[in-house]
Amino acid sequence: DADVTQTPRNRITKTGKRIMLECSQTKGHDRMYWYRQDPGLGLRLIYYSFDVKDINKGEISDGYSVSRQAQAKFSLSLESAIPNQTALYFCATSPPGGQPQHFGDGTRLSIL
Amino acid sequence: ELKVEQNPLFLSMQEGKNYTIYCNYSTTSDRLYWYRQDPGKSLESLFVLLSNGAVKQEGRLMASLDTKARLSTLHITAAVHDLSATYFCAVGLNSGYALNFGKGTSLLVTP
Repeated sequence: DADVTQTPRNRITKTGKRIMLECSQTKGHDRMYWYRQDPGLGLRLIYYSFDVKDINKGEISDGYSVSRQAQAKFSLSLESAIPNQTALYFCATSPPGGQPQHFGDGTRLSIL
Repeated sequence: ELKVEQNPLFLSMQEGKNYTIYCNYSTTSDRLYWYRQDPGKSLESLFVLLSNGAVKQEGRLMASLDTKARLSTLHITAAVHDLSATYFCAVGLNSGYALNFGKGTSLLVTP
């Protein structure tokens, strides 16, 4: 089983719909992250959380919200999806001490 | 604002050749990461560089960090086709462990 699991893996939806992307992890890490990847732009940080009570905005948080339901679960919501939110979304976790982040397999989201 | 610049963004090289990918960043940081991404796949951690002068090697890849110059390099020795992928460098912000990524270098190794 994957250490960082993202659901769904693929989603196609319409403009204006509310969407939730879910991430769960079995690594026991406190730190969790949401990124989006667009062709030619690398990964950009949307939100990050260092524990259940600590949530921080990243570089591109507008239009997104998150919920840290438990140490192992971190959800990303698009309240009213728009086409330019079409992207590949990654969840990641990390332990403290500067060790590398571990990424899920990604959710490919298309908004029509 | 921390900016991370990689070059080149695209690289086509022949098998057996050597090449270097460069990663420059704009703000002081003491941690730099290299990741590999295969098409349609997730990101895989290659190297973590946590101090000035750090050098790490794995197979045909070697990464180094010069914090004074704010520069990291990823050197490829005697490239093989299996190294074809996109390589990202990422820099950690001093205030925590959130990462700023470069745009990635898409590497194609041809016979």
